[in-house]
Amino acid sequence: NAGVTQTPKFQVLKTGQSMTLQCAQDMNHNSMYWYRQDPGMGLRLIYYSASEGTTDKGEVPNGYNVSRLNKREFSLRLESAAPSQTSVYFCASREEVFSVTYEQYFGPGTRLTVT
Amino acid sequence: GNSVTQMEGPVTLSEEAFLTINCTYTATGYPSLFWYVQYPGEGLQLLLKATKADDKGSNKGFEATYRKETTSFHLEKGSVQVSDSAVYFCALVNSGGSNYKLTFGKGTLLTVNP
Repeated sequence: NAGVTQTPKFQVLKTGQSMTLQCAQDMNHNSMYWYRQDPGMGLRLIYYSASEGTTDKGEVPNGYNVSRLNKREFSLRLESAAPSQTSVYFCASREEVFSVTYEQYFGPGTRLTVT
Repeated sequence: GNSVTQMEGPVTLSEEAFLTINCTYTATGYPSLFWYVQYPGEGLQLLLKATKADDKGSNKGFEATYRKETTSFHLEKGSVQVSDSAVYFCALVNSGGSNYKLTFGKGTLLTVNP
């Protein structure tokens, strides 16, 4: 099992450019999440998907869109990147809804710099 | 809403010292509590968890007890090692609703010197 994988690991964008961050999990989890991590802020939820075909906004959704392509894949798109979106982005997936542990499994992260 | 407050770092200790990282929370109902660890350049890994009051989570020598009366989940280790140097996040999830969103504290950077 690869767990949760993310591509790319690093990316530099100019203001106004667009890009898509890819995430895939091979654990057959229903729920998937996108977080951003900023110094002194912890992790903040951008979007999540409780199941294939559904997505919902988290704490900080502005400037982002998501697609739950299938059960395995959940992508995050920046349509017009801004310097405020410079951050480390983590994708996560969660065990099945009947699990009582609610554990989330995280990918290795994508470090994005917007100049 | 839910919130998690953990002690600010950075925390610097010598090897074999005792570690405590404080964590308190605000939540409705009966949340589950977690400690995640992030080693340099890596994603977050679950370190330990507790799902109900008075539960003690433990792993790799770390322990934390879910104290509902003080709304706390402090992380402790009796003797830290250089390899424990990392950022530690306290987090909770409230089982109400269907989305099981994690709420994180801001993280505490621990550096252990030989």
